[in-house]
Amino acid sequence: SSELTQDPAVSVALGQTVRITCQGDSLRSYYASWYQQKPGQAPVLVIYGKNNRPSGIPDRFSGSSSGNTASLTITGAQAEDEADYYCNSRDSSGNHHVVFGGGTKLTVL
Amino acid sequence: QVQLQQWGAGLLKPSETLSLTCAVYGGSFSGYYWSWIRQPPGKGLEWIGEINHSGSTNYNPSLKSRVTISVDTSKNQFSLKLSSVTAADTAVYYCAREVLVRGVMNYYYYYMDVWGKGTTVTVSS
Repeated sequence: SSELTQDPAVSVALGQTVRITCQGDSLRSYYASWYQQKPGQAPVLVIYGKNNRPSGIPDRFSGSSSGNTASLTITGAQAEDEADYYCNSRDSSGNHHVVFGGGTKLTVL
Repeated sequence: QVQLQQWGAGLLKPSETLSLTCAVYGGSFSGYYWSWIRQPPGKGLEWIGEINHSGSTNYNPSLKSRVTISVDTSKNQFSLKLSSVTAADTAVYYCAREVLVRGVMNYYYYYMDVWGKGTTVTVSS
């Protein structure tokens, strides 16, 4: 399958921990990458690989993977973390097309 | 620090051809795939296609019949053409650099680490 499935919306209280998940068969072969997108801005890579953060991404962002499910965890969510989050990988069925999840809108209460 | 600068026409009429270009500054052009992604208003990200420095391409099957991605290595640029546009092609279009690394146990690292700022394209009569 070439699909990545995400919950459309998740909320978290300020300072609490939230996990955003992404499911798809391709995640058995590819680590998911995660992008944060705020209104009117381009997506920004926040997690890639097994659990890697690009320079400048706070360490409250972490990633994990098990089977066909990848997770993005924000430990101690801040108001500025309110955004859309997208997972991404390549299709592992042989055509190697690029796939995105449908996105999760994170609300920080 | 690699930067992507993109440009192209922002307003098109139905049936016209969308044309965008993305220039790569401050880093290597070879050794990567380069992608186009779009985002319709209020919707999620949709991958359009990719190209490498040798001109090898890979397209989203849903757009393949209308898409052409090309590369100009002398200028470190790659371009997108989307023919016969309709209102459904109205979106913000992004270019991005892809990284693909084979890890241990045949697990791959794949991600888009550098993005252009986006170009808003509106299709309207």
